[in-house]
This record gives sequence, C-alpha cells and structure tokens, in this order.
Amino acid sequence: GESVGLHLPTLSVQEGDNSIINCAYSNSASDYFIWYKQESGKGPQFIIDIRSNMDKRQGQRVTVLLNKTVKHLSLQIAATQPGDSAVYFCAENVNKAAGNKLTFGGGTRVLVKP
Amino acid sequence: DTEVTQTPKHLVMGMTNKKSLKCEQHMGHRAMYWYKQKAKKPPELMFVYSYEKLSINESVPSRFSPECPNSSLLNLHLHALQPEDSALYLCASSLERHGYTFGSGTRLTVV
Repeated sequence: GESVGLHLPTLSVQEGDNSIINCAYSNSASDYFIWYKQESGKGPQFIIDIRSNMDKRQGQRVTVLLNKTVKHLSLQIAATQPGDSAVYFCAENVNKAAGNKLTFGGGTRVLVKP
Repeated sequence: DTEVTQTPKHLVMGMTNKKSLKCEQHMGHRAMYWYKQKAKKPPELMFVYSYEKLSINESVPSRFSPECPNSSLLNLHLHALQPEDSALYLCASSLERHGYTFGSGTRLTVV
C-alpha cells in the first residue's frame, strides 16, 4: 500500500554541525514532496518542497534531495541551531481522481546539543 | 493573509456532548483538509474537500461530520466521541497539490 517511512526516529546533533534526515517512500505515483517541522503544541510548519521532476532543491540552510530510483528523500540542515530542535516529517502528495492526498511519514525527532 | 486559523485551540468534551471545530483561510485555496494527530505520531488524513465538495473520506467514523459552508471555512462536527478520539486535530488548505498550509490545531480531550 501507500506508505512513507523514515530510517531514524531520533537524531542527536551538535550545534553547528550538519543534520541529515532520511525518508523512504513507496508510491511511485507521488508527484510532490514536502518536509515539515513540527514543534511541541504547534501545527506542521513548511520547510521546503520538491516536485518529482527535480532531484535537488535548496533553501536557506536546507537542501532536499530526491532519488526516484530508490524512492528516497532526504533533508539536509546546514549549521544546525538550537531552534532546529523539533520533529521533522516528510510528506508525499498523490494526485488521485477524487483529489490530492498528502501522506506523512513517521517523523524524526532532532535534538540539538549545545 | 497566509495563515490557516483554527478555533478553539483547546477543547474538553464529554462523550455525550456535541461540539464543533472551526477552520478558516483567506488564501484563496480551494482544497481543505482535516487531519488527526495522536501523540508522537504523524498526522493522518481524515477528509478532503475540493471546491467545497467532500472528495475524500478516509473511512472516518460517522461521529465525525465535516462541513464546508464556503470556500474559506471548514468545520468538523463532533458527536458521541470516545476517549480514544482525544488528539490534535489539524486543518490544512492547499492550492491544488501545492502550497499546503497547516493551522496550529485544536487539542481535543474527550472525558
């Protein structure tokens, strides 16, 4: 069935280091992917997105890589800061006849050590 | 306005109560969504509205009843809920398949 999963449930990183969060997806029909950051008690906050016809996209301190061959998505955070501590979710969009479905992966908690 | 606003932020209700969650956006998005999120879990899709019509129902129990009065508003009517329905309920909107924006959610506790 359709699923989006993550390899690491918790990532502990030193402040200033780079973070890499991985995500595997199984639906080859997914056409759009999004990374979200969720802090305690808040809704998911958009970080960066990528369309299926791209393999890399860069934002401010973040980069998303998409490998459609192995159905793998990653989020790289440069110079991780204490404010980056949160749970990160990847999400995939599938365009169905009835409408768009955005499905979330299991989430990775990032803990930034000072 | 680039926000999705949800009210109330917190709600405690008994199993015999009827309550409603509200969601509002003024970004011109024509797709709106309800998600349910349990602690330490990812959001799970419940309903999708497209151009004010219910397009996807992910086999949600009938004690949850969505309503889309107009293109800016989305409600979720609650009746005879169970304690296991306690969760964070998230509303989102999107411009077709892009621009998904989430609200801060309603923390629901059923007692």
